[in-house]
Amino acid sequence: GIQVEQSPPDLILQEGANSTLRCNFSDSVNNLQWFHQNPWGQLINLFYIPSGTKQNGRLSATTVATERYSLLYISSSQTTDSGVYFCAVEPDTDKLIFGTGTRLQVFP
Amino acid sequence: DVKVTQSSRYLVKRTGEKVFLECVQDMDHENMFWYRQDPGLGLRLIYFSYDVKMKEKGDIPEGYSVSREKKERFSLILESASTNQTSMYLCASSLGSLNTEAFFGQGTRLTVV
Repeated sequence: GIQVEQSPPDLILQEGANSTLRCNFSDSVNNLQWFHQNPWGQLINLFYIPSGTKQNGRLSATTVATERYSLLYISSSQTTDSGVYFCAVEPDTDKLIFGTGTRLQVFP
Repeated sequence: DVKVTQSSRYLVKRTGEKVFLECVQDMDHENMFWYRQDPGLGLRLIYFSYDVKMKEKGDIPEGYSVSREKKERFSLILESASTNQTSMYLCASSLGSLNTEAFFGQGTRLTVV
């Protein structure tokens, strides 16, 4: 089956720093989503981005489907950005396959 | 906004009990999913449903069953709970093949003792 790899696995930042999270996938996909899992376990939708670039405030994402990767950019990070970031891909029939996640810690 | 609601935030059950986890969505979505999340293993798909009374096995269906009698409700059933089913359970829904953006509930942390 399709493999979804995220890097880095862990990231520690000071408030105000910028970061880039990467998601690589091994086969073509219909869609891709980025989620933020907060400390209480809730998965929050960030982007639904099968291709192209989207921006939402301090966050933006780019998916290059032909090269099988997606990037999530976080600018001017805040402590509330802490948590685990997942990308999830849809290879077929509406099912999402999740990557292993990037754990982000932002310190004041 | 899409709302996906899971019936319990925390649940403690005894080994051998029959356990029901309920999930309700309010946006008339066709697809509903159950995942479990474990440290080091990430999120894994247990079952999904693309229509009322329709279901398909995911990657780890053993020990679980599901029920979808109404479009808005998708239930996960542990016929005889075991300690290795202690986990975080996450329900999700999506509109359908025209828009497969998935939305998740708040999760149910199940402990089987």
